[in-house]
Amino acid sequence: SQKIEQNSEALNIQEGKSATLTCNYTNYSPAYLQWYRQDPGRGPVFLLLIRENEKEKRKERLKVTFDTTLKQSLFHITASQPADSATYLCALDPLNGQNFVFGPGTRLSVLP
Amino acid sequence: GAGVSQSPSNKVTEKGKDVELRCDPISGHTALYWYRQRLGQGLEFLIYFQGNSAPDKSGLPSDRFSAERTGESVSTLTIQRTQQEDSAVYLCASSLERRREAFFGQGTRLTVV
Repeated sequence: SQKIEQNSEALNIQEGKSATLTCNYTNYSPAYLQWYRQDPGRGPVFLLLIRENEKEKRKERLKVTFDTTLKQSLFHITASQPADSATYLCALDPLNGQNFVFGPGTRLSVLP
Repeated sequence: GAGVSQSPSNKVTEKGKDVELRCDPISGHTALYWYRQRLGQGLEFLIYFQGNSAPDKSGLPSDRFSAERTGESVSTLTIQRTQQEDSAVYLCASSLERRREAFFGQGTRLTVV
């Protein structure tokens, strides 16, 4: 069956440290993958998009990688700040015409 | 408008009543999506519109749920004979075209009592 998994439900790190969040998928062939952040009581906000032919994408303190062989995307955040505390969601768009679907999310807490 | 607008922001309804949720997407965005998010859960895909047509209705949970979009703009999600299990935040998103970043509204929190 098709599945998207994100690592641990919650991750706590100290301010200034780095974190890596994982997104693994099964039985999908995504054309691209997106990462969003969601704050409590709000809709998700787009962060980064990476295509299947791209290995890495960067935006400020964020970096996303996409490995179609491992069927995995990694989301790296460096020099973390308390304002980075949120739930981070991956979403992928399969090639077979299905609509893009979201993973369950990882809640990141950056402690001051 | 500047962003995706959803109304109402909160709706409390009695079990068995019908409700209509509205989404105003960003002007010019051809793709529009509805998702449902239960408390503490992930986003559950409901339906996708390209223009005014819905090529993908696969996520609608039952025939009590329907949606339409008119004028390649406003969309309405209707839930008939609401049940307590329908309680959730209903999120609408739009994008310039299908394979682009999606912009989400703040959601409508539906509570069925």
